Amino acid sequence: GAVVSQHPSRVICKSGTSVKIECRSLDFQATTMFWYRQFPKKSLMLMATSNEGSKATYEQGVEKDKFLINHASLTLSTLTVTSAHPEDSSFYICSARAAGPGTEAFFGQGTRLTVV
Amino acid sequence: AQTVTQSQPEMSVQEAETVTLSCTYDTSENNYYLFWYKQPPSRQMILVIRQEAYKQQNATENRFSVNFQKAAKSFSLKISDSQLGDTAMYFCASTDSWGKLQFGAGTQVVVTP
Repeated sequence: GAVVSQHPSRVICKSGTSVKIECRSLDFQATTMFWYRQFPKKSLMLMATSNEGSKATYEQGVEKDKFLINHASLTLSTLTVTSAHPEDSSFYICSARAAGPGTEAFFGQGTRLTVV
Repeated sequence: AQTVTQSQPEMSVQEAETVTLSCTYDTSENNYYLFWYKQPPSRQMILVIRQEAYKQQNATENRFSVNFQKAAKSFSLKISDSQLGDTAMYFCASTDSWGKLQFGAGTQVVVTP
């Protein structure tokens, strides 16, 4: 199957700083990428949907000024957690889809963010 | 809006036995797709099986099969001949016409020797 690479896999940052997470589709062009947040032993919560070259669409309750999403190319989307606080600590996962809604969405390996 | 409900937090099954995971969903879409994903301890999400809502035939992938009851909005997953490597969290999901995946709460499957 297609490969989606997410980097870094783990990051620790100080409270108040910003951290950027990258999501790359390595062998296909991803017209749409999704960002999820997952709490321990919980399901994936969709944060936002990004389409190449346009602004991301955020789910209700997700602060777009805190979670900045950029989808600058068909193979790269980034999530920047700005002014991170301990409550932002979580597991973040991206996924990418090449074509229509019925096609498989490929997932990155996830990023464990710890804010201290 | 879509909702996906998984009512079994955890299921235990012995090796070589069969286990069935339940999933119900609700959607206002006419055209939608249903999926089962597994998330092993590595936390990498892996597609197990996919069902197109307009197809009546139940999807099958090796030891994994679904029972899709469209009128009842039910989409259960059967794992046959369970193997230790099947131990994982299993998520049922639906997608709308925009491609947004809505996940259920998940069912932890534990396969014991």
